[in-house]
Amino acid sequence: NAGVTQTPKFQVLKTGQSMTLQCAQDMNHEYMSWYRQDPGMGLRLIHYSVGAGITDQGEVPNGYNVSRSTTEDFPLRLLSAAPSQTSVYFCASSPRGGGGTDTQYFGPGTRLTVL
Amino acid sequence: QQQVKQSPQSLIVQKGGISIINCAYENTAFDYFPWYQQFPGKGPALLIAIRPDVSEKKEGRFTISFNKSAKQFSLHIMDSQPGDSATYFCAASMPGYSSASKIIFGSGTRLSIRP
Repeated sequence: NAGVTQTPKFQVLKTGQSMTLQCAQDMNHEYMSWYRQDPGMGLRLIHYSVGAGITDQGEVPNGYNVSRSTTEDFPLRLLSAAPSQTSVYFCASSPRGGGGTDTQYFGPGTRLTVL
Repeated sequence: QQQVKQSPQSLIVQKGGISIINCAYENTAFDYFPWYQQFPGKGPALLIAIRPDVSEKKEGRFTISFNKSAKQFSLHIMDSQPGDSATYFCAASMPGYSSASKIIFGSGTRLSIRP
């Protein structure tokens, strides 16, 4: 199993550009989520999905869109990039709902810089 | 009430010493407390976790101490090694699997072990 994969690893955007961060998992997990990691801020939840066709907002959803058409894939779209979105983005999956004793499996991350 | 406060932000320990990272929470609905370890350029990975019905859990050189009355828990790394140098996140999770916003991460501690 490849686990959770993310592409690209690095990306530089100009303000106002749009792009999609890709995330895929091959563990047949129902739950997938996107986090951003900023210095001193920990991991903040952007959007999550509890199954194909179901998504919801997390703590910091503004400026991001998601969709979940298959169990395996959960792309994150930046609509109009802003410097405040410079961050490291992690995709995660877990077998059930993310709470309880579920283990979160994280991808390797995408480092995004917005100029 | 949803916050998990983690300290210190950074920590330097000599090889062979004990590394201690502390976390505190407010919401008594949390009932699972995992620690995640993140190496540079990688995503976080589950290290060790504890339920509040026990005061201590040990796995090798890693020990979680849990104080339910004080709503505090800590990670102790005995005989710290340079390979333990990483960022450590505490987290708190609520029971159930129906909502993704039920795991809250601390802000992270960057641990450096000096040879």
